[in-house]
Amino acid sequence: EDKVVQSPLSLVVHEGDTVTLNCSYEVTNFRSLLWYKQEKKAPTFLFMLTSSGIEKKSGRLSSILDKKELFSILNITATQTGDSAVYLCAVEGDDKIIFGKGTRLHILP
Amino acid sequence: GAGVSQSPSNKVTEKGKDVELRCDPISGHTALYWYRQRLGQGLEFLIYFQGNSAPDKSGLPSDRFSAERTGESVSTLTIQRTQQEDSAVYLCASSLYYKQPQHFGDGTRLSIL
Repeated sequence: EDKVVQSPLSLVVHEGDTVTLNCSYEVTNFRSLLWYKQEKKAPTFLFMLTSSGIEKKSGRLSSILDKKELFSILNITATQTGDSAVYLCAVEGDDKIIFGKGTRLHILP
Repeated sequence: GAGVSQSPSNKVTEKGKDVELRCDPISGHTALYWYRQRLGQGLEFLIYFQGNSAPDKSGLPSDRFSAERTGESVSTLTIQRTQQEDSAVYLCASSLYYKQPQHFGDGTRLSIL
């Protein structure tokens, strides 16, 4: 059965810390993996990963995909209170998009 | 429009009633997606449209759920004979083409009494 598993489910750190969020998957005919940030309502797109080993970076956020081990990580360095959100991982396969349950990240000032 | 627009933003209805949720995608986006998000859960994929065609309807939870799309424009998600288990936020997203990054609307919060 296709599935996407994110860990940890929740995480509380202090401002300035670095965090690593994990996403592992089992999906038929993998096409891409995407990360989204969901604050109050609409998830906003962060990264789309299709190739192994190529890091994508945007400011303090970066992500990398390992298609052999079937996982991705999302790193956030020098965290700020504005990074508090639910981070969603989604994997696209055969006419199917599966989201994980998300990691709820809370940054303490 | 500037973003994906969903209406209504909130809907409270009695069990057994039919509801219709509307999504206006970003202009020019050919792909449109519907998701359900129950409280504290991740997004559950329901259906996507490429143009007005829905290649895979297997994500719809039951035959009480149906969706339509007019051309590459508005989509409606209809839930017939609503049940309490249908209570959730229903999110719509669109992308320029299928499998491109999606832009989400703010969702419709549906509460079944």
